[in-house]
Amino acid sequence: NAGVMQNPRHLVRRRGQEARLRCSPVKGHSHVYWYRQLPEEGLKFMVYLQKENIIDESGMPKERFSAEFPKEGPSILRIQQVVRGDSAAYFCASSPGAGQNTEAFFGQGTRLTVV
Amino acid sequence: KQEVTQIPAALSVPEGENLVLNCSFTDSAIYNLQWFRQDPGKGLTSLLLIQSSQREQTSGRLNASLDKSSGRSTLYIAASQPGDSATYLCAVGAGGTSYGKLTFGQGTILTVHP
Repeated sequence: NAGVMQNPRHLVRRRGQEARLRCSPVKGHSHVYWYRQLPEEGLKFMVYLQKENIIDESGMPKERFSAEFPKEGPSILRIQQVVRGDSAAYFCASSPGAGQNTEAFFGQGTRLTVV
Repeated sequence: KQEVTQIPAALSVPEGENLVLNCSFTDSAIYNLQWFRQDPGKGLTSLLLIQSSQREQTSGRLNASLDKSSGRSTLYIAASQPGDSATYLCAVGAGGTSYGKLTFGQGTILTVHP
């Protein structure tokens, strides 16, 4: 039973390019969360999605960032026109439901470097 | 706005020592609390989850307690080993309209030396 799979593990983009980060949740999990860990900072919530719906995007920057979790396929975090400040580790987590005893399982992360 | 603080920021202990990591949060209206470990360059591994109605959880050498009223949680590690060296993160889960969102502390970097 595979855990949360993120790819790529490392991504290098030049300023102005687009970055697409993929997350396949644990099989059977319908809740997906994206977090960002900037250098020397803690993990910050970005967005919470269920299949085909954005539930909470209060942590997403207003511009250039978008996320989706289609009916079929992985969740995608898309960053358009990347800048140096986007360099960070991006983590995806999934959970099976909404209970108090529901753990969030995290992937290995995608480390984005903007040059 | 929920804020989570972890003390100490770093801890270095000899192998075999029992130790306590502290986590405090400002809003006691939490849904649950999770402790994670993060190894350098790796993802997060869930260690323990405590529901808001619970006082503690145990797994092997780990014991986590929760005192909602005072906004505190502690992670107790018994008989520490070099393999316990990692960053330990405390994360508070929100309910209500903020459901699903985890607020993380900055972490405690633990080094256990032989």
